[in-house]
Amino acid sequence: GQQLNQSPQSMFIQEGEDVSMNCTSSSIFNTWLWYKQDPGEGPVLLIALYKAGELTSNGRLTAQFGITRKDSFLNISASIPSDVGIYFCAGRGFGNEKLTFGTGTRLTIIP
Amino acid sequence: EAQVTQNPRYLITVTGKKLTVTCSQNMNHEYMSWYRQDPGLGLRQIYYSMNVEVTDKGDVPEGYKVSRKEKRNFPLILESPSPNQTSLYFCASSLVQTTGELFFGEGSRLTVL
Repeated sequence: GQQLNQSPQSMFIQEGEDVSMNCTSSSIFNTWLWYKQDPGEGPVLLIALYKAGELTSNGRLTAQFGITRKDSFLNISASIPSDVGIYFCAGRGFGNEKLTFGTGTRLTIIP
Repeated sequence: EAQVTQNPRYLITVTGKKLTVTCSQNMNHEYMSWYRQDPGLGLRQIYYSMNVEVTDKGDVPEGYKVSRKEKRNFPLILESPSPNQTSLYFCASSLVQTTGELFFGEGSRLTVL
């Protein structure tokens, strides 16, 4: 099946720092999505991308659909304590409606 | 309030004792799915349903059953649980499968002794 490599696996940052994470696929996708999971909760959709090259923002979050269709990036600017959690990328390929999730990036903010 | 509700949230059981995790959504979504989350493995799909009476296997269906008799409900059944099914389970739904925009429940943490 399709595989998604998400990196980094974990990040330890200080409040106020910017964060970057990415996801790469072994095959091309026609949809990329980013979810966030707060501790003890289910994942919540942050951003959905449907077009190669698309750059979409949601507050301090910005995500991009890579031009090769094999990758996506998520940036968080000026991190705050509530950004703590696990961030998952997910992708769906052409003609294959199955959604594949990455293994997640765990974000921790050091006081 | 739009939501996906799972029960129980926490369960400790013993090997071989049948159990059911219920899932209900109030958004009239066609698509529903079950995932399990394990450390280092992310979210893996167990089963999914594109509509009533239509179910199909995901990536890790062994040891699980599902049914979709009504649009709002999608229970996950473990006929004979084993310790390797100890995990955090999530039910999710979306209006249609093609968007990938899923609404997740709060999760059910299952421990099989």
